[in-house]
Amino acid sequence: GAVVSQHPSRVICKSGTSVKIECRSLDFQATTMFWYRQFPKQSLMLMATSNEGSKATYEQGVEKDKFLINHASLTLSTLTVTSAHPEDSSFYICSALNLMRGATDTQYFGPGTRLTVL
Amino acid sequence: KQEVTQIPAALSVPEGENLVLNCSFTDSAIYNLQWFRQDPGKGLTSLLLIQSSQREQTSGRLNASLDKSSGRSTLYIAASQPGDSATYLCAVPSGGSNYKLTFGKGTLLTVNP
Repeated sequence: GAVVSQHPSRVICKSGTSVKIECRSLDFQATTMFWYRQFPKQSLMLMATSNEGSKATYEQGVEKDKFLINHASLTLSTLTVTSAHPEDSSFYICSALNLMRGATDTQYFGPGTRLTVL
Repeated sequence: KQEVTQIPAALSVPEGENLVLNCSFTDSAIYNLQWFRQDPGKGLTSLLLIQSSQREQTSGRLNASLDKSSGRSTLYIAASQPGDSATYLCAVPSGGSNYKLTFGKGTLLTVNP
């Protein structure tokens, strides 16, 4: 199946700093990528939808100025957690799919990024 | 608003046992339903995807059923093995999209040797 990678896999940062997480589709073009967050023993919660070349759409309750999403190419979306605080510590997972005509609309998930804010 | 519930939250069984995991959802107007496996600290592995028009899907020792009208799905695991130990998540599209997923909290399965 198709492969989606995330970088870094783990990151520890100090409170107040910004952290960038990358989500890459390695062998297909991802017109759309989704960013999810998972707190311990909780389900994955959708944060935002990222479409290539356009602004991301955020779910209710997710601060767009805090979680900056850029989807500048068909293989890369980035999530930047700005001025991170300990409550932002979580497991961030992206998924990617190709919604172009004729493409298989299967959604593939990345391996996740563990963010710890001290 | 779609809500997904998984029962039980945790399950511990001896190796070789057959088992059933349950998933229920509140809005039956779904495009499909997926079952995923998540190992500790890892991402998701898609196990089975059932389209709304289907009743079940099978892959190896796994069988997933879907009853849209009652808002339920089950994941049946036959002859469980210690390597099956993981958290199993079910998810359905929601929010007016066929792709934005709402997940349950999962069932933590432990298969004891």
